[in-house]
Amino acid sequence: SQQGEEDPQALSIQEGENATMNCSYKTSINNLQWYRQNSGRGLVHLILIRSNEREKHSGRLRVTLDTSKKSSSLLITASRAADTASYFCATGGGGFKTIFGAGTRLFVKA
Amino acid sequence: DGGITQSPKYLFRKEGQNVTLSCEQNLNHDAMYWYRQDPGQGLRLIYYSQIVNDFQKGDIAEGYSVSREKKESFPLTVTSAQKNPTAFYLCASSTTGMITEAFFGQGTRLTVV
Repeated sequence: SQQGEEDPQALSIQEGENATMNCSYKTSINNLQWYRQNSGRGLVHLILIRSNEREKHSGRLRVTLDTSKKSSSLLITASRAADTASYFCATGGGGFKTIFGAGTRLFVKA
Repeated sequence: DGGITQSPKYLFRKEGQNVTLSCEQNLNHDAMYWYRQDPGQGLRLIYYSQIVNDFQKGDIAEGYSVSREKKESFPLTVTSAQKNPTAFYLCASSTTGMITEAFFGQGTRLTVV
């Protein structure tokens, strides 16, 4: 089974609202990453949070990590239509050990 | 412009044919990877290479082959032994180490006709 599993599988919101996606994983990690994928394109790295960090911010993105619950969340504030994409969490030991979840498809309506 | 380039963007394969997908990077990364993505699923690792002239099988290597003769290049061949090759293929590169960010190409969509 996959290490990282995102929830929900799909999310539809209005422009200006916040979007929250969650990721759960099974085994110990040293870091967790979030990636974004526009339809038919490659993945783009958004943010990395280390296992000894609890929260990290980058622009309109906020990531939290709870290692006791083996979960992470990605919050996108004041969403825009351009945020429409799939978002993946990636966990593991880095490099070839990185495991990607199935992703959350976010649709932001203008 | 530094980055990772995949070609072609779209590829059609006839039954019984081998096809090769190109992946080139100018990021000076030692590690390169090939992933397969099917609708609604996460990325599955096909092959990876951490250094020139060395590569290892990932989770779904059967029916695929790779080479790593140059640091910049990591081509993937989808052979006729791969019975269900229709998918989106992604190449990535990174530095080596435990905490690394992967850089992805734009992908190749392979369709069997």
